[in-house]
Amino acid sequence: QKEVEQNSGPLSVPEGAIASLNCTYSDRGSQSFFWYRQYSGKSPELIMFIYSNGDKEDGRFTAQLNKASQYVSLLIRDSQPSDSATYLCAVKPPGGYQKVTFGTGTKLQVIP
Amino acid sequence: DTEVTQTPKHLVMGMTNKKSLKCEQHMGHRAMYWYKQKAKKPPELMFVYSYEKLSINESVPSRFSPECPNSSLLNLHLHALQPEDSALYLCASSQVQSNEKLFFGSGTQLSVL
Repeated sequence: QKEVEQNSGPLSVPEGAIASLNCTYSDRGSQSFFWYRQYSGKSPELIMFIYSNGDKEDGRFTAQLNKASQYVSLLIRDSQPSDSATYLCAVKPPGGYQKVTFGTGTKLQVIP
Repeated sequence: DTEVTQTPKHLVMGMTNKKSLKCEQHMGHRAMYWYKQKAKKPPELMFVYSYEKLSINESVPSRFSPECPNSSLLNLHLHALQPEDSALYLCASSQVQSNEKLFFGSGTQLSVL
């Protein structure tokens, strides 16, 4: 069974620290990887996507992908209380634009 | 415009009611999706429309009936729902290429009494 796994948390970090969220996936052929942020009662919001091995940076966010280890991570620098949310890792199979497999999400709490 | 608009935002219905959820996007996306999300769970795919044709039905009960009248609109017709169908219903859209990103609407919080 194709799976995407995340630690459910909560992950608690102090304000200003780096938050590190991790995700592993089982389908070695997966090619597209996404991070969504979801506030309680709201819809998921895309914050990062990555297709190639290595790092991708956007402001305070860095996505890291290691296809050999089937591992994708999200780093949030200078964490703010407004970053407190659930972060969903999502993975697309090859050629499969239609089906996205979501992880169960990691709840992040940034403590002021 | 990078917005997917869903209406209504909240809906309460009885088990004998018929209601519809609506979704609209003007990003030129040709794939549109319905997801269901229960509390503290990830979104679950229900239906996918590609070029206005139903391409995926994830074995959803017939009390949920999707419709895609044109490339910008997606509806979900609800009839004879059960209390366990109470959830956040999310519409999303994307381009049809394999690497394309999903954009979600704000969702409809549905309560079935």
